[in-house]
Amino acid sequence: NAGVTQTPKFQVLKTGQSMTLQCAQDMNHEYMSWYRQDPGMGLRLIHYSVGAGITDQGEVPNGYNVSRSTTEDFPLRLLSAAPSQTSVYFCASSLTSGGADTQYFGPGTRLTVL
Amino acid sequence: AQSVTQPDIHITVSEGASLELRCNYSYGATPYLFWYVQSPGQGLQLLLKYFSGDTLVQGIKGFEAEFKRSQSSFNLRKPSVHWSDAAEYFCAVGPLYNQGGKLIFGQGTELSVKP
Repeated sequence: NAGVTQTPKFQVLKTGQSMTLQCAQDMNHEYMSWYRQDPGMGLRLIHYSVGAGITDQGEVPNGYNVSRSTTEDFPLRLLSAAPSQTSVYFCASSLTSGGADTQYFGPGTRLTVL
Repeated sequence: AQSVTQPDIHITVSEGASLELRCNYSYGATPYLFWYVQSPGQGLQLLLKYFSGDTLVQGIKGFEAEFKRSQSSFNLRKPSVHWSDAAEYFCAVGPLYNQGGKLIFGQGTELSVKP
């Protein structure tokens, strides 16, 4: 199986544009999440989902929307891009949100907002 | 509040030398602890994890980590570093059930390997 896949790998946007970062997993995982990675700050949780139809906010949700219509897919939408959203975005999944389950990360999307 | 500290932002070691990367955490109970590695331009790969039991945990690529409750530490070690180990290493604690299964990551330690 492919694990966690993300598209695109790179994206440049202008301020105010919108776009969707795609994330898919083929491991039948219930739990999926989005993190952003900024220099010196590690990874911070944006949104997460514990199953199809269920999403919730993480610690830095402003400016982002998510939905989970299927188990496999968890897209992240930027509604109106801002330079502060320049970052590397990682999608992760695990069987559940429980502590015993390893979270697997995708390869990331590097986003630049001009 | 829960937190993870990796005191060393950047470490350089010679190939063949031993390695220890430090990680300290603040958590209300015995945590689940993880080390991830991120090669340039890549995602995060799990090296090892600690849940309970033996405090010395073996991982992939010859890495090991030791959980020391008294010191709130979970340091990563490797006896002999290879050039391919050059990467960024992240320590993490969690997941936090009341915060959406969030993992709390340290700031990362960048490892350079000298030939």
